[in-house]
Amino acid sequence: RKEVEQDPGPFNVPEGATVAFNCTYSNSASQSFFWYRQDCRKEPKLLMSVYSSGNEDGRFTAQLNRASQYISLLIRDSKLSDSATYLCVVIHPGRRALTFGSGTRLQVQP
Amino acid sequence: GAGVSQTPSNKVTEKGKYVELRCDPISGHTALYWYRQSLGQGPEFLIYFQGTGAADDSGLPNDRFFAVRPEGSVSTLKIQRTERGDSAVYLCASSLTGANSYNEQFFGPGTRLTVL
Repeated sequence: RKEVEQDPGPFNVPEGATVAFNCTYSNSASQSFFWYRQDCRKEPKLLMSVYSSGNEDGRFTAQLNRASQYISLLIRDSKLSDSATYLCVVIHPGRRALTFGSGTRLQVQP
Repeated sequence: GAGVSQTPSNKVTEKGKYVELRCDPISGHTALYWYRQSLGQGPEFLIYFQGTGAADDSGLPNDRFFAVRPEGSVSTLKIQRTERGDSAVYLCASSLTGANSYNEQFFGPGTRLTVL
């Protein structure tokens, strides 16, 4: 079983739609959680950290459910520029390395 | 300011050859990380430096892979006797310090390695 699992997609949605991505992680002791965004043939960039209380950054909302070992990302009012691969990331206890999922590809259509 | 830079951007080599990939982190960042990303996958951790020392090299796949950071700034990833399976994008990242897992890791553009 992979340490971080994501639906690879692609998710094809029209502009203005709301889309949600989910991710599960296997190590219940994982302590830090993030969503990264990666454009085609570019490097990953931090989108947002994920906190147990949930957090929002503009059109983006991230949630963490520690009991179910589940992380989600909600994007409201999708823009064409949101088209990218979204990578779920965890950090295991006592480590600094990022553990990535395989990513979920989003394509926003005009 | 300048971000993480990596050279070369592309490297094509033949099976069995030796390659060196260079990473120049953001100035002042003491933590440096190497990852590699195969097509359709997320990046996989290789090695992490705090200053000059390798604090975690648990991701290096075998002894053909080695990395150094002699002065605590630039790092070089070295791959001996390359194999076709080594073909991937090698990403370098740096962060202000490795002391806090919330310190954002900033990635370079990567080196695309192709082993023929």
